[in-house]
Amino acid sequence: GDSVTQMEGPVTLSEEAFLTINCTYTATGYPSLFWYVQYPGEGLQLLLKATKADDKGSNKGFEATYRKETTSFHLEKGSVQVSDSAVYFCALTHNAGNMLTFGGGTRLMVKP
Amino acid sequence: EAQVTQNPRYLITVTGKKLTVTCSQNMNHEYMSWYRQDPGLGLRQIYYSMNVEVTDKGDVPEGYKVSRKEKRNFPLILESPSPNQTSLYFCATGRPGENIQYFGAGTRLSVL
Repeated sequence: GDSVTQMEGPVTLSEEAFLTINCTYTATGYPSLFWYVQYPGEGLQLLLKATKADDKGSNKGFEATYRKETTSFHLEKGSVQVSDSAVYFCALTHNAGNMLTFGGGTRLMVKP
Repeated sequence: EAQVTQNPRYLITVTGKKLTVTCSQNMNHEYMSWYRQDPGLGLRQIYYSMNVEVTDKGDVPEGYKVSRKEKRNFPLILESPSPNQTSLYFCATGRPGENIQYFGAGTRLSVL
């Protein structure tokens, strides 16, 4: 079956540092890939997505590129802020019924 | 305002006492789903529904029931809760094929 693996957290960075959160997946065919973010006390919300190989999703300064050859979808941001502190989830779907397969989540803590 | 509303937000109960967590959406979405979130495991799907009167098991359906009598509501029922169902629960909605899911704020359940 499908699976998503994320780097374990927590990731602790100082403000304005560069962020990378690794995500790799195992799936047949060409799934769509997502990053969701969960701020403290809230539900998940979509951060960005990519639906085919070499697509780059971007939003709020975050970027991720769909790499079919390495089955990866790493999340990056050039300069993190304290307000980026949250849990980040990588996920995939095969479009069949909207069912998402999530990674375990990575907690990011940004210190001033 | 588009909303996915879960109630209650917090619940402490005892083993064996039946409970229902409600989920309601105002976006006219066909698809609704329940997930549980546990540390290190990410989100795992419990049940989902593609439309009224159509429900299917997700990855971890044991101990749970759902119903979809109306498009806007998708309650999660625990007939006889046990301590291993202590978790954070999320309801999500979407349109089939759109690949984006919209999450409620979550329900934190403790079963003593």
